[in-house]
Amino acid sequence: DAGVTQSPTHLIKTRGQQVTLRCSPKSGHDTVSWYQQALGQEPQFIFQYYEEEERQRGNFPDRFSGHQFPNYSSELNVNALLLGDSALYLCASSFGGSYQGYTFGSGTRLTVV
Amino acid sequence: AQTVTQSQPEMSVQEAETVTLSCTYDTSESDYYLFWYKQPPSRQMILVIRQEAYKQQNATENRFSVNFQKAAKSFSLKISDSQLGDAAMYFCAYRSLVGRDDKIIFGKGTRLHILP
Repeated sequence: DAGVTQSPTHLIKTRGQQVTLRCSPKSGHDTVSWYQQALGQEPQFIFQYYEEEERQRGNFPDRFSGHQFPNYSSELNVNALLLGDSALYLCASSFGGSYQGYTFGSGTRLTVV
Repeated sequence: AQTVTQSQPEMSVQEAETVTLSCTYDTSESDYYLFWYKQPPSRQMILVIRQEAYKQQNATENRFSVNFQKAAKSFSLKISDSQLGDAAMYFCAYRSLVGRDDKIIFGKGTRLHILP
């Protein structure tokens, strides 16, 4: 049973560029959430997608956007990258009606130079 | 807004000994979930244990158990018979059950070192 898969595992981008991160949820899960984890910090909630719509959003600027596809996979897009966007981006999936803990992927390490 | 506080940035324990990680939280809600997550150097966030606020009985998962004190808003994690593989960052986390607020709020974490 595949868990949550994220790609790529590492990425280096230049300031001002745009980046797309991808996430495939655990089999049977229909809800995808994205978190940003700066080095040495706790994860911070970016947004959550359910039924291909953004259901909830954290305190992140509009440069952060996302998408969920009919197969429940998801993308996180970040425009006009800043040095401060360097972080580990974690994807977590869950089944919408369940109050279980999320299943997390191993993350994408984004470095902005 | 809900907050989660972990007051121990780092802890160390001898292998095979018992260690307790502390967590307090603040909420005005009566129904919620609490979690302990483990994040080893591999970066993946692994669920250690889950506690439903409406359940008075403390959750237990093998060597891991919690002491849930709802009135005190305290949720500590006890690791018995510590093993080298337990070394990791441990995050206490809160999840609301109110409406559509489905996000998880994490504490700042406690880095646990296991001494051989």
